[in-house]
Amino acid sequence: EVQLVESGGGLVKPGGSLRLSCAASGFTFSSYSMNWVRQAPGKGLEWVSSISSSSSDIYYADSVKGRFTISRDNAKNSLYLQMNSLRAEDTAVYYCASGGHIDYWGQGTLVTVSS
Amino acid sequence: DIQMTQSPSTVSASVGDRVTITCRASQSLSRWLAWYQQKPGKAPKLLIYKASSLESGVPSRFSGSGSGTEFTLTISSLQPDDFATYYCQQYNSYPYTFGQGTKLEIK
Repeated sequence: EVQLVESGGGLVKPGGSLRLSCAASGFTFSSYSMNWVRQAPGKGLEWVSSISSSSSDIYYADSVKGRFTISRDNAKNSLYLQMNSLRAEDTAVYYCASGGHIDYWGQGTLVTVSS
Repeated sequence: DIQMTQSPSTVSASVGDRVTITCRASQSLSRWLAWYQQKPGKAPKLLIYKASSLESGVPSRFSGSGSGTEFTLTISSLQPDDFATYYCQQYNSYPYTFGQGTKLEIK
């Protein structure tokens, strides 16, 4: 069974940092590009970042470029998102998700940026 | 960036109805378009990929069509479990973008 399990969310003050993790199992993680997608409360889906299977290609939404860093460790079947200089508008559920058309999604982890 | 525009934003329908949701792209996607269903408090679920390919395990009442800049998701006969929000997503080029969503409500 495919599982993507996010962790690391929580409450952080504006300007603070968080590191999200995603543990993958049940599929060949090292063969898939991976993504972070977020959803602000009551809003639609927003793609945040993608990383290719070998980490050779990385992409970011303009809204997070220069503040967020995506990375992966294929030996540990894990995906990461380092989030710095957090803003109130980064408050959202963050989903770990696989592929271009996203066939696997995690359950999401809530990040709340508030003073 | 490619803009994705879904219509309608909300649709009210009854069990057994046929429903069509449209997604328009600001530039050609070829067929690199996916459709997702999302229920409150849950992660999205892939329904359709490459514009018209049905994801394994998804009921055949769901179908997708289109290419280029105009795409449709059709539910042929609505079931109670289908009332949810639907999103299109282009994966032709980065940044990936989603439509704003279509909420399917019970009439």
